[in-house]
Amino acid sequence: GENVEQHPSTLSVQEGDSAVIKCTYSDSASNYFPWYKQELGKGPQLIIDIRSNVGEKKDQRIAVTLNKTAKHFSLHITETQPEDSAVYFCAANGGGYQKVTFGTGTKLQVIP
Amino acid sequence: KAGVTQTPRYLIKTRGQQVTLSCSPISGHRSVSWYQQTPGQGLQFLFEYFSETQRNKGNFPGRFSGRQFSNSRSEMNVSTLELGDSALYLCASSPKAGNSYEQYFGPGTRLTVT
Repeated sequence: GENVEQHPSTLSVQEGDSAVIKCTYSDSASNYFPWYKQELGKGPQLIIDIRSNVGEKKDQRIAVTLNKTAKHFSLHITETQPEDSAVYFCAANGGGYQKVTFGTGTKLQVIP
Repeated sequence: KAGVTQTPRYLIKTRGQQVTLSCSPISGHRSVSWYQQTPGQGLQFLFEYFSETQRNKGNFPGRFSGRQFSNSRSEMNVSTLELGDSALYLCASSPKAGNSYEQYFGPGTRLTVT
């Protein structure tokens, strides 16, 4: 099955700085890579996703890049704000029975 | 559109009991998936239902089961509860079945087994 590794597990940045979260996947059949933001007491919220036919996708301050050859993808948040503080999860759809396989999460803290 | 709703939000049960959790997907979405979230294991896929049929199932024991109704609402049942079943149970709806479409999660049901 698919295996998704996510780094770092925690990340602290000053407000206004950029944050980068990296994930690697194992199954070359994966072709859909969503990112989720989970705030305390809430369910994960889809913030951006990318498909394997695209190398990069942007949505305002958020961007995701995908390197199929290296099997890694990254989330970039620019001009971070305190409300960006949350746990972020990457995921890959892979093959087999899984809907998607999630990474272990990155707790992002934006310091005002 | 209203989001995914889950009931109840919190539940406390005793070992050996059974529990039923409910999920109402986004209007028009026919796929409902269930996930278990724990600090130790993270987010793990339980199963997906589409058009009242279970499409696939994760690596969980048979004590975990589900069903979907004709209006796409879904229920998840856990029988003979164990302490390790304490977790946040998340439901996600998707416009289509399969693993290539966006999923929208509900707020979850926090289950505590004592």
